[in-house]
This record gives sequence, structure tokens and C-alpha cells, in this order.
Amino acid sequence: GAGVSQTPSNKVTEKGKYVELRCDPISGHTALYWYRQSLGQGPEFLIYFQGTGAADDSGLPNDRFFAVRPEGSVSTLKIQRTERGDSAVYLCASSHNLNTGELFFGEGSRLTVL
Amino acid sequence: AQKVTQAQTEISVVEKEDVTLDCVYETRDTTYYLFWYKQPPSGELVFLIRRNSFDEQNEISGRYSWNFQKSTSSFNFTITASQVVDSAVYFCALSEDSGNTPLVFGKGTRLSVIA
Repeated sequence: GAGVSQTPSNKVTEKGKYVELRCDPISGHTALYWYRQSLGQGPEFLIYFQGTGAADDSGLPNDRFFAVRPEGSVSTLKIQRTERGDSAVYLCASSHNLNTGELFFGEGSRLTVL
Repeated sequence: AQKVTQAQTEISVVEKEDVTLDCVYETRDTTYYLFWYKQPPSGELVFLIRRNSFDEQNEISGRYSWNFQKSTSSFNFTITASQVVDSAVYFCALSEDSGNTPLVFGKGTRLSVIA
């Protein structure tokens, strides 16, 4: 009866490095979302998948950010050439029923770029 | 464009007091959905309620109640007889087409309930 699982829970990296964050959604959930939450702010939308395809990637801040979901389950958020401003908690959520809008969130991956 | 404003950054109350968290939204759509989520210290957002724009009936769930008023574009959340376990950050969110467009969140209100 697992919920949404995100790994790593904490990641510290140096500026310019490449980072991957993983999200394992609730089994059977077809929709998967990535959000970013900075300190004292609400979650900010990045991208969402319906199945394997990115249905809306309008929230990705620039081309250093990319996400995949090759088999329609696990998703990986990839950040190239990290910058200090990328430091935040990256939240993943999944949903079974698009019509309810009820998202199930993971505990997030806290990224710190030094 | 859609926007959610939670003017109260932090609220502190003594246990058993009632507390209301304000939420004001902006949208051009006539069909939209409003949500409240709770984020306890563990960090995992927990869904509390969803309300569509055609249903202005207030809702009560235990100690929680929600007041939706389209005339003032508000969707306020009241906790009655607050408890220490209610301490968390609460987010109001809006979707212009439930599930098909991403939720837009407010900045949240941090509620501290003191024993």
C-alpha cells in the first residue's frame, strides 16, 4: 500500500553538476506531476505526464530541465548544469482520476546546489 | 491567468480556538475547481477538499468547514476547536479544468496551534 515514493530524499551537489530525481507513483495512477517548492512558497508546476507522454511541460523553467516517464510509471526529473537557484524541494504527485483533481504527493526530494 | 492569494502568511492560535484561513482566487473561466491541501512538517501535501465552481454549498467535515463565495472569489477554510495536530502549512489551489490543467497554488498559510 505504498504511496508516492521519491528518491533521493536529500541531494547536495555542486554548481554545474547533473542531477536526477526519481518518482515512483502509486500503482495504476496514469497522471504524474512534478512541482517545485521553494522556501516559504507554494508548489510551482513544472510538468505533467499522462501515461508516457508529457501532456504539459509549460512549467519547466528552461532547457536545463527535462523529465521522462518511459514506461508510464516511474518518472525521472533531470537537471543539467545545476545552478544555485535550482535549490528547492522537488515534489512529485500522481493521480488516478483526472476528473477529481485529487493529487497524491510524495515527501519530495530536497535539492541543494552549493 | 489564474492566481491564488493567501494573504495570511502565519497564524498562531491557542488550542481549542477556532481559526479561519483565507483564500482569494482569480480566474477568467466559468468552470474551475478549488482545493485545499495540508502540508505537515513531514512535507507531504495531503488533499483536504475539492469544490467546483457550480457548487457554492458550504461543506463541513468534522472540525473542518469551507465557505465558498463566488461573489467575492473566496474559498475560506475554518478549523473549529483547533488541536496541536492541526499545525501545518495549508495551501489553497485552483484548477481551471480539473485534472487537465495543473493546480496553481497559493503561497500557503502556516498555522501554529499552541497547547
